[in-house]
Amino acid sequence: KNQVEQSPQSLIILEGKNCTLQCNYTVSPFSNLRWYKQDTGRGPVSLTIMTFSENTKSNGRYTATLDADTKQSSLHITASQLSDSASYICVVSPFYTASKLTFGTGTRLQVTL
Amino acid sequence: DTEVTQTPKHLVMGMTNKKSLKCEQHMGHRAMYWYKQKAKKPPELMFVYSYEKLSINESVPSRFSPECPNSSLLNLHLHALQPEDSALYLCASSPGGRNSGNTIYFGEGSWLTVV
Repeated sequence: KNQVEQSPQSLIILEGKNCTLQCNYTVSPFSNLRWYKQDTGRGPVSLTIMTFSENTKSNGRYTATLDADTKQSSLHITASQLSDSASYICVVSPFYTASKLTFGTGTRLQVTL
Repeated sequence: DTEVTQTPKHLVMGMTNKKSLKCEQHMGHRAMYWYKQKAKKPPELMFVYSYEKLSINESVPSRFSPECPNSSLLNLHLHALQPEDSALYLCASSPGGRNSGNTIYFGEGSWLTVV
């Protein structure tokens, strides 16, 4: 069964600090992995998308890494801001279709003063 | 313009009402999706339209009826819903075709409360 597991489930950090969120997946065959940010009560917003041939991709203060051999990805947030408080969802797409996405349960990040 | 627009943002309806959720995108995307999301849970796929034809129905109860009038619009008709259907309903779109690397763009969602 295709699964995406994220850790930690929730995280509280001080403003200005860095943090790293983890994603492990068992989706096979694998096509791409996406990280989304979802504010409470709003739709997910795409941060990065990586194919199996990419190891790292950055979007401002967000840097995602991918190890397709170990089926692991991480999302590193640098110099966190209060507006980074949200759920971060790892989403994996199988090779055969873009429609059958497997969503992780997300990591809820809270950035405090 | 990279927006998927959903209306209404909030909807409260009784179990005997008939209502509709609407979704619109003008990015030329040919695949559109409806997801249901409960609090603190990931989105669950309901329907996929590809080139205006229903391609995936994830065994959704018939009280939810999707409609794709044209390539830019996607509706979700609601009838005789149950309180447990209360959730955030997300519309999404992607360029479509065989390239599964396409990013899926989500709308802001419609909060549905069934009373």
